[in-house]
Amino acid sequence: GAGVSQSPSNKVTEKGKDVELRCDPISGHTALYWYRQSLGQGLEFLIYFQGNSAPDKSGLPSDRFSAERTGGSVSTLTIQRTQQEDSAVYLCASRRQGEPQHFGDGTRLSIL
Amino acid sequence: DAKTTQPNSMESNEEEPVHLPCNHSTISGTDYIHWYRQLPSQGPEYVIHGLTSNVNNRMASLAIAEDRKSSTLILHRATLRDAAVYYCILYSNSGYALNFGKGTSLLVTP
Repeated sequence: GAGVSQSPSNKVTEKGKDVELRCDPISGHTALYWYRQSLGQGLEFLIYFQGNSAPDKSGLPSDRFSAERTGGSVSTLTIQRTQQEDSAVYLCASRRQGEPQHFGDGTRLSIL
Repeated sequence: DAKTTQPNSMESNEEEPVHLPCNHSTISGTDYIHWYRQLPSQGPEYVIHGLTSNVNNRMASLAIAEDRKSSTLILHRATLRDAAVYYCILYSNSGYALNFGKGTSLLVTP
C-alpha cells in the first residue's frame, strides 16, 4: 500500500522567502509528526498531531514555523522568512495507535 | 524524556553477525524500546521493538537486559544493504513524540 508521501522532494529558495512543505500520511493513521534533520545529525522533533487533540508544538524552533493538519489527514509545515539555518531535511511520519511510525523520505530544503 | 546512548559508529564484515548496543538507564516501566534504521537519502525505517522479552522478526533480533537498562539489536548476517544509521529510541505507548539521537552508523565491508 501507499506509504507516507512528502512533497516537494527538494526545495531551493532564497533567504527571506516563505516555504510550504506537504505531508500525506498513511490513510487511517491518527498521529502525524514532523521532524527536522540537519546534515550528519539525528532527528529533531518539531510538532505532533494526534486526532482532534490540540497539537504539541513544543519542538518548533521559532514563531516562523507553523503547521496545520486539515481534516485529520494532510499536513502542511510552513516556514516564514526563511533563514540559512533552516536548511535541512524535513521528515514527516504517521502512525496508528500502538504501532510503529512510518516515515516519508523527506523534503530537502536549501536556503540560499 | 528518557535518553539513549549508542556508539557513534561500528564496522562489520559481510555475512558476520552484528551486535548494536544501546544504553537506556533512565527507562521507565512503560517505555517500549524501538529500533529504526535510516539508509542514505531515505526516511527512517522501523526495524523492531520490545518491552521486556527478547523479540525476533525477519529483519533482526532484539535482546533486552533483565533490568531493561540496555538492549542490543542483533543482525544475524550482515549484508551490504544493512549499512545504515541505526537509532535506538524509547517510546511511551501514550503516543507522545519521539526524539532520535545521532544513532550508530554501521559500515559493512565485503
